[in-house]
Amino acid sequence: QKEVEQNSGPLSVPEGAIASLNCTYSDRGSQSFFWYRQYSGKSPELIMSIYSNGDKEDGRFTAQLNKASQYVSLLIRDSQPSDSATYLCAVNQAGTALIFGKGTTLSVSS
Amino acid sequence: EPEVTQTPSHQVTQMGQEVILRCVPISNHLYFYWYRQILGQKVEFLVSFYNNEISEKSEIFDDQFSVERPDGSNFTLKIRSTKLEDSAMYFCASRETDPYGYTFGSGTRLTVV
Repeated sequence: QKEVEQNSGPLSVPEGAIASLNCTYSDRGSQSFFWYRQYSGKSPELIMSIYSNGDKEDGRFTAQLNKASQYVSLLIRDSQPSDSATYLCAVNQAGTALIFGKGTTLSVSS
Repeated sequence: EPEVTQTPSHQVTQMGQEVILRCVPISNHLYFYWYRQILGQKVEFLVSFYNNEISEKSEIFDDQFSVERPDGSNFTLKIRSTKLEDSAMYFCASRETDPYGYTFGSGTRLTVV
């Protein structure tokens, strides 16, 4: 059974701080890793993808991947109240469907 | 920006009835998916569809479920005899090709009473 694990939170950070979200996965064959943001009652929205070990930066977001440790993380710099949402980690092997974690709820207070 | 369109946004049905959820994926995408999310739970994979056939399905996708691409644009999920536990948000998603991420539709909230 392929599993993607996330701390459900809530993770509470003040406005302007760095939020750090973590995810581990069980399938060593996983090749593609994604972070989605989901606001309450809405659909998941893709915010980052990462395919190789190391860091990938896009604006205020940085995704980090360590395949040896089966660990992927998302850092959000200068957190804003509008970043308050549930962040979903998703992984897959080539040609297979994305498997999602339960998500971490982030709350950014102003 | 291209969108995945789902209709209806909300459907209420009686237990035992058949429902069809409809999706229009992004036009140049090749892979299509249905996921569901029971309230408060994780997004669960149901089925993937490529080249006019099912390429992968989960244990959830049993004989009461079927998918179809009746024409060049629509992608449908049929639930033959709905149960109370089928109440969930159903998301359609599509992607252009491996390994890119999926684009999700806005979802259909199915309520079985």
